[in-house]
Amino acid sequence: DQQVKQNSPSLSVQEGRISILNCDYTNSMFDYFLWYKKYPAEGPTFLISISSIKDKNEDGRFTVFLNKSAKHLSLHIVPSQPGDSAVYFCAASARGGATNKLIFGTGTLLAVQP
Amino acid sequence: NAGVTQTPKFRILKIGQSMTLQCTQDMNHNYMYWYRQDPGMGLKLIYYSVGAGITDKGEVPNGYNVSRSTTEDFPLRLELAAPSQTSVYFCASSTVQGRNTEAFFGQGTRLTVV
Repeated sequence: DQQVKQNSPSLSVQEGRISILNCDYTNSMFDYFLWYKKYPAEGPTFLISISSIKDKNEDGRFTVFLNKSAKHLSLHIVPSQPGDSAVYFCAASARGGATNKLIFGTGTLLAVQP
Repeated sequence: NAGVTQTPKFRILKIGQSMTLQCTQDMNHNYMYWYRQDPGMGLKLIYYSVGAGITDKGEVPNGYNVSRSTTEDFPLRLELAAPSQTSVYFCASSTVQGRNTEAFFGQGTRLTVV
């Protein structure tokens, strides 16, 4: 049962254009969402997050949008740069309990063409 | 500023052999995690720990064991290696401060079982 889904395995965009990466989730208890970026042979690194009390969070070229009713979030990268080429993982966690386990999606490989 | 350090980076095991993947963090984080990433898949949680002396199973714990004797270290033990355990293993840590925080990952251990 995949609670966090990234249905696009790959995405290719031109340098300077917008990249939109999508993520859907099924667990209504999730209330904190994160995007991680992963280069080959490296561990994932945190990119941006959003709490369920917000519908948008912006950090420089990166913006995450959250649509709770649709259980959908998206990451926008504007403008896209070749250095943004990486695998992007969406992750989610739920309040409550004694842990903050992250549940990850399967990732989307972004290729930004010069 | 080491962060999360994993050793070894690469290892080839024969079926039935055992090994320990080492993970240490210097950020005084309470929570630590072990994930595995199979090709084309997201990160699956194997085991996690909310503090020294406390561990619990994640989504895919079978074939693995962990211990947490100190805040800094969280080794992952494979007792009888099987080909299905061929994967990339990531250790991560996080703090509980603010409840909504990101996890920091190590660079990964690529394990092949032949």
